[in-house]
Amino acid sequence: EVQLVESGGGLVQPGRSLRLSCAASGFTFDDYAMHWVRQAPGKGLEWLSSINWNSGSIGYADSVKGRFTISRDSAKNSLYLQMNSLSTEDTALYYCAKDSGYYDKRLDYWGQGILVTVSS
Amino acid sequence: DIQMTQSPPSLSASVGDRVTITCQASQDIRNYLNWYQQKPGKAPKLLIYDASNLQTGVPSRFSGSGSGTDFTFTISSLQPEDIATYYCQQYESLLTFGPGTKVDIK
Repeated sequence: EVQLVESGGGLVQPGRSLRLSCAASGFTFDDYAMHWVRQAPGKGLEWLSSINWNSGSIGYADSVKGRFTISRDSAKNSLYLQMNSLSTEDTALYYCAKDSGYYDKRLDYWGQGILVTVSS
Repeated sequence: DIQMTQSPPSLSASVGDRVTITCQASQDIRNYLNWYQQKPGKAPKLLIYDASNLQTGVPSRFSGSGSGTDFTFTISSLQPEDIATYYCQQYESLLTFGPGTKVDIK
């Protein structure tokens, strides 16, 4: 069974940093691209970043480019999102999602999400 | 950047009704479009990929069509468990989600 479990969220002050993790299990992690998507309270889905199976192709939304960094560790079957220079507009539920292939950009499994609250 | 729009933003329909949602891209995205369902308090679920292909395990009352800039998502016979918000997502250039369409029962 595919499982994606996010961690690392919480309350953080504006301007500070936070690193989210996503522990993956139930599939061969190295064979799939991975993605981060967020959802602000009461709002829609916003794609943030993607990383292909071998980290050779990475993309970011304009809203986070230069502030957020996606990475993955095959030894730990984990996906990460380093978030710097956080603002109140980054307050959201953050989801990690599995791609259906090497980089199909079809998100076929999602974690339950982790809440990040940016507030002073 | 490719922008996605959806209409209507919300709709109410009766059980058994046919429900149609449209999604429009700001430029040609061929058939690089997926549809997701998000129930309240839950993570999104992939329903349709590549504009018209049903994801494994998804009921056949869900369908999708279209190519280029205009796409349609249809529920042929609305069921109570279909109450959710539906999102389109393009992947011709990076990824972009539409704003969503909230569906509830009249």
